[in-house]
Amino acid sequence: SQQGEEDPQALSIQEGENATMNCSYKTSINNLQWYRQNSGRGLVHLILIRSNEREKHSGRLRVTLDTSKKSSSLLITASRAADTASYFCATVSNTGNQFYFGTGTSLTVIP
Amino acid sequence: DTAVSQTPKYLVTQMGNDKSIKCEQNLGHDTMYWYKQDSKKFLKIMFSYNNKELIINETVPNRFSPKSPDKAHLNLHINSLELGDSAVYFCASSQAHQGLVFFGQGTRLTVV
Repeated sequence: SQQGEEDPQALSIQEGENATMNCSYKTSINNLQWYRQNSGRGLVHLILIRSNEREKHSGRLRVTLDTSKKSSSLLITASRAADTASYFCATVSNTGNQFYFGTGTSLTVIP
Repeated sequence: DTAVSQTPKYLVTQMGNDKSIKCEQNLGHDTMYWYKQDSKKFLKIMFSYNNKELIINETVPNRFSPKSPDKAHLNLHINSLELGDSAVYFCASSQAHQGLVFFGQGTRLTVV
């Protein structure tokens, strides 16, 4: 399967703490993207990091990419209850015609 | 304005029936997708169309047939529905394959 793996599968933290999710993938990529899915809703893109980038920030989000290890991490700082959702990484192949999601991390932020 | 809209939002039908899910995007994107999300939340790509042409066709039963009348529409027709087809189906679009993907709100299909 070309599907990426994410860990942990589930994460529960207290409000105000940081949450870190990891994504590993198998093939060479053009870029990697992180998405968020609230229960029963569609996915919303959070951030895109290209293969020649190592780190990217957006608000309370920080994404790193290590292409040598074929892995990425998403850090959410100062978490809020509203951050409770499932988070997915997705990889886009170098050919640009393959787009695969990871298995997802379910994050629960306890108020 | 809804960027990617799919209808219906919920679909309950009996085994053996044929059903369609419609999808439209008003973003001017040239690539559209269908994804299936199962009960374990795994998201699996089913089809990808670029400028109305099929690009990706993952291992999906022949009972599933996508149709793209134009760049803005990608409909999914399912014949002879089976219990295992129950899932949430997401339509999505992007500008070329390498851009961010915008998702519809999903269609929850329940086959009884």
